[in-house]
Amino acid sequence: EAGVVQSPRYKIIEKKQPVAFWCNPISGHNTLYWYLQNLGQGPELLIRYENEEAVDDSQLPKDRFSAERLKGVDSTLKIQPAELGDSAVYLCASSPSTEYNEQFFGPGTRLTVL
Amino acid sequence: KNQVEQSPQSLIILEGKNCTLQCNYTVSPFSNLRWYKQDTGRGPVSLTIMTFSENTKSNGRYTATLDADTKQSSLHITASQLSDSASYICVVSDRGSTLGRLYFGRGTQLTVWP
Repeated sequence: EAGVVQSPRYKIIEKKQPVAFWCNPISGHNTLYWYLQNLGQGPELLIRYENEEAVDDSQLPKDRFSAERLKGVDSTLKIQPAELGDSAVYLCASSPSTEYNEQFFGPGTRLTVL
Repeated sequence: KNQVEQSPQSLIILEGKNCTLQCNYTVSPFSNLRWYKQDTGRGPVSLTIMTFSENTKSNGRYTATLDADTKQSSLHITASQLSDSASYICVVSDRGSTLGRLYFGRGTQLTVWP
């Protein structure tokens, strides 16, 4: 079974430029998450989707961040414009609808803003 | 405030030795606690998941314990190997199913030396 796929794995951009990350969850997983992880920290939730609906986006900085999951499968996370402080790893995870809410993480996209 | 605290922040041990990582949480309500292993440059991978009624669970050389009364958990690694070098993250969910919010610790960075 294929795991969560993310691309690109690495991205280097200059500040004020836009950037987008893509995530393909595990087949059949209705719940999808985007996390931000700074070095030496645990992941922080940005947004959670149930199918195509964003059900928890309270931690998403909506002035510059946006996300979509149009058909309830793949998802994209966008930053426009990027700031120096956005340099981090962006993790995507998916979860089946089970009792334990076990999440399966992708490898992440490491973003460096210069 | 719902928090997950891990100790130590970092740990160095020699190959073949045992070690124990600690996790204290204040999350309420409580549904389940899981330990993740995160290799450098990878997403977190689940090691164990424990519910309120479980006080120990093993996965190979990894054994997790849970004391729901004192809100403490530990992860014991037996006969460490070089491949155990990673960050170990304690995560607590406040409810079952995908409705649950996950609270992440900052992780313990374990380094195993030959």
